[in-house]
Amino acid sequence: DGGITQSPKYLFRKEGQNVTLSCEQNLNHDAMYWYRQDPGQGLRLIYYSQIVNDFQKGDIAEGYSVSREKKESFPLTVTSAQKNPTAFYLCASSPGQEPYEQYFGPGTRLTVT
Amino acid sequence: GQNIDQPTEMTATEGAIVQINCTYQTSGFNGLFWYQQHAGEAPTFLSYNVLDGLEEKGRFSSFLSRSKGYSYLLLKELQMKDSASYLCAVRFSGGYNKLIFGAGTRLAVHP
Repeated sequence: DGGITQSPKYLFRKEGQNVTLSCEQNLNHDAMYWYRQDPGQGLRLIYYSQIVNDFQKGDIAEGYSVSREKKESFPLTVTSAQKNPTAFYLCASSPGQEPYEQYFGPGTRLTVT
Repeated sequence: GQNIDQPTEMTATEGAIVQINCTYQTSGFNGLFWYQQHAGEAPTFLSYNVLDGLEEKGRFSSFLSRSKGYSYLLLKELQMKDSASYLCAVRFSGGYNKLIFGAGTRLAVHP
């Protein structure tokens, strides 16, 4: 079955620690995205990548980093510099044809205390 | 800015029809998406509009008026499982497939 997987579903960390969230897709999509979702707010774009070995900052990239070494994988690192890291993180990918709809993974809920 | 506005919450009765509105700023518009998201789960794609008019998909329909910066999602024959958040997302022209999401409309369907 094709799809997007994110692991783990729930993640707990202490303040000051970096943490890496996994995102893997087997849909053969070129473009991948990371969003953050907070209560009462829309999804906000953190980083996106249109092709392997290339990525760009989204609207709220501060305190986050990514890599895109393989087409299938787009891991997100939440660094200790991120002031409010507790959130629901969603990874998405989209095909290279209209309407370019984005397919989402199941999400990772990160709690930092 | 590129604000996407939609009502925060709505309630409806099982079997009824509900319309969820979405407004956006028209400059640079390049397509509008509706997603459904159950609590704690991933958003799932419902519909896409890029031209004016109505797109129908079973019990769900989506309408777009580009000149008015307005869209709505129409849900017919409501079922309890339709209780979810509905996200409006707009793609603006700018070289890549960036979506701006509204905060979502939480729909509660009751018996």
